[in-house]
Amino acid sequence: EVQLLESGGGLVQPGGSLRLSCAASGFTFSNNAMTWVRQAPGKGLEWVSGISESGRTTYYADSVKGRFTISRDNSKNTLFLQMNSLRAEDTALYYCAKRYGSIWGFDYWGQGTLVTVSS
Amino acid sequence: QSVLTQPPSASGTPGQRVTISCSGSNSNIGSYTVNWYQQLPRTAPKLLIYISDQRPSGVPERFSGSKSGTSASLAISGLQSEDEADYYCAAWDDSLNAVVFGGGTKLTVL
Repeated sequence: EVQLLESGGGLVQPGGSLRLSCAASGFTFSNNAMTWVRQAPGKGLEWVSGISESGRTTYYADSVKGRFTISRDNSKNTLFLQMNSLRAEDTALYYCAKRYGSIWGFDYWGQGTLVTVSS
Repeated sequence: QSVLTQPPSASGTPGQRVTISCSGSNSNIGSYTVNWYQQLPRTAPKLLIYISDQRPSGVPERFSGSKSGTSASLAISGLQSEDEADYYCAAWDDSLNAVVFGGGTKLTVL
C-alpha cells in the first residue's frame, strides 16, 4: 500500500524557516518524480514544486522561487521542502504527492502538514 | 486569479448529468493533457481523470473527461450524493514551467 506521510509543519514567524519532510513507502521511491502542492485555508490547490526521480531536475512555482528548495533522499525514501523567508501568504496545508508515470498528474497524496506563518 | 478558469460552483439533482468546464490557453491545455482531481470535504485530493480522458483504476465510469483545443470538461453522469465535493483541473504550462490548477468547482448535489 502506497503511503506518504508529511511532517515538519508548525507555527513560524514571518521571515522564518521550516523544513517539511515526506516519508514514502509502498512503492519504489527512486523511480518516481514527486511534488508538493499546498492549499491555503478555505482556498484552492496551488502547485508548489516538483522534483525528478534522481533529484537532478527541480521545478518551482513563481510564488516560491528563490525561497523554497525541494530535495530528496532516495536512500531514505524521503522528500523534503526547505522553506525560507516565509510569508503570511505561505500559510497552508502542504501535501506531498507522487507523480503518475511521466504525466504531471499525481496519483497518491499524503494527508498534509499545516504551516502557519504568523507573528 | 488562477491560470485555468473553472466555474466556482455547479449543482445537480441525483441521477442528473453535470459538466464542469476548465478553460486555459495554448501554453497549457492547448499543448498538454489535463488531469482532474476530486477533493471530498476534509480529505486529500484524489486523481479522478488523467491524460484528459483516462480513469485510474477504481474510478467509476460515471466520471469522464474530454479536451478540445484550449478547454477541457469533466462530466459526471448519474449524479450521487457522495459526488458532492470540490473538483480541480490541472495541466502543465510551458510558459510558466509549472503545473497550473484551476480555481476549483464546488459541486452541490441538491
